[in-house]
Amino acid sequence: AQTVTQSQPEMSVQEAETVTLSCTYDTSESDYYLFWYKQPPSRQMILVIRQEAYKQQNATENRFSVNFQKAAKSFSLKISDSQLGDAAMYFCAYRRDTGNQFYFGTGTSLTVIP
Amino acid sequence: NAGVMQNPRHLVRRRGQEARLRCSPMKGHSHVYWYRQLPEEGLKFMVYLQKENIIDESGMPKERFSAEFPKEGPSILRIQQVVRGDSAAYFCASSLQGGETQYFGPGTRLLVL
Repeated sequence: AQTVTQSQPEMSVQEAETVTLSCTYDTSESDYYLFWYKQPPSRQMILVIRQEAYKQQNATENRFSVNFQKAAKSFSLKISDSQLGDAAMYFCAYRRDTGNQFYFGTGTSLTVIP
Repeated sequence: NAGVMQNPRHLVRRRGQEARLRCSPMKGHSHVYWYRQLPEEGLKFMVYLQKENIIDESGMPKERFSAEFPKEGPSILRIQQVVRGDSAAYFCASSLQGGETQYFGPGTRLLVL
């Protein structure tokens, strides 16, 4: 079974600084997708970034980038120039290439300090 | 382009009552997924549906829970004879094709008294 682990229940960062959120996963598959979702206080789930396992290049989306280490089964999210609006729960998620369901980690609560 | 719509946003039920949660996917999406989020936990998959078909219900409790996605209208998650342990946030997601990126609705918070 696939499992996704987020070992940091809470993180904080100064506004304008950079923070990295950790995620590891366990799978025997070679093809799969990884995602980071943001859940602000409104509880909406917002897609932040997506990575295909077959791509070696790390995905980037404006201030958000990932460090995908396939051999280590690690998928960390880096937020640069942190803004107050980045404060939220961040969930790492995994999906098999041929699968339909997402497997989510337990989340990391990010606080941005003004 | 409206996103995934869910209603109601908040639902209060007494033990033994029925809860009906609705989800309208994004325009053009015919694949719907339901997830449950218990307090302090991540989302857990419940069921995956296409129009008029249940594709994967491996995450759905065997009793009291059912889901449908009719040809016309929203997808419905029905919980019969609710118990306090059913209190959670229920999220719906949709995708254009199966296996594509899923876009989530705002969720329905169910509170069972």
